[in-house]
Amino acid sequence: GAVVSQHPSWVICKSGTSVKIECRSLDFQATTMFWYRQFPKQSLMLMATSNEGSKATYEQGVEKDKFLINHASLTLSTLTVTSAHPEDSSFYICSGPGQGAYNEQFFGPGTRLTVL
Amino acid sequence: GQNIDQPTEMTATEGAIVQINCTYQTSGFNGLFWYQQHAGEAPTFLSYNVLDGLEEKGRFSSFLSRSKGYSYLLLKELQMKDSASYLCAVPYNTDKLIFGTGTRLQVFP
Repeated sequence: GAVVSQHPSWVICKSGTSVKIECRSLDFQATTMFWYRQFPKQSLMLMATSNEGSKATYEQGVEKDKFLINHASLTLSTLTVTSAHPEDSSFYICSGPGQGAYNEQFFGPGTRLTVL
Repeated sequence: GQNIDQPTEMTATEGAIVQINCTYQTSGFNGLFWYQQHAGEAPTFLSYNVLDGLEEKGRFSSFLSRSKGYSYLLLKELQMKDSASYLCAVPYNTDKLIFGTGTRLQVFP
């Protein structure tokens, strides 16, 4: 299946700082990628759709000024959590669009963000 | 709107069979996915149903009833490594996925 990588796999930062998370498609090109957030013992929640060459589209309730998304190339999308606060501590996962035989999405390994 | 419900937690014994249910209410229907997610890891694809009936893939099977808005994942011959969360998801707006609440399955020896 399609391979998606994320970096870093985990990050700890102080409250008020910004953190950038990279998502790369290693063996396919993607004009769109998806960013999810997952709180402990909860399911994945779609935050936004990253669009190459244009603005990201955000789901209802997600602050676009706080979660900056840049889709710089067909293989790289970045999510920057600006002025992070402890409530932003979560597991952030990206995925490419459907690539498999059933149009299933393939997910990156996730980034664990802890804000102190 | 979209709404997908699953039981929060389930337990089972090694070697047993377990059925994880998923009910959904969506505007439009383009199939239903099941993913497995081990703690701290990314979800991995298990199955996809778009037509009514049972799809069997080894120890895992998935069933769909579109008229009832209902699906289940059946896991046979449970192994310890099957302890994980199981997420059902439905696509909308082309490629987006909305996930169910997820079911955490714990398998005991």
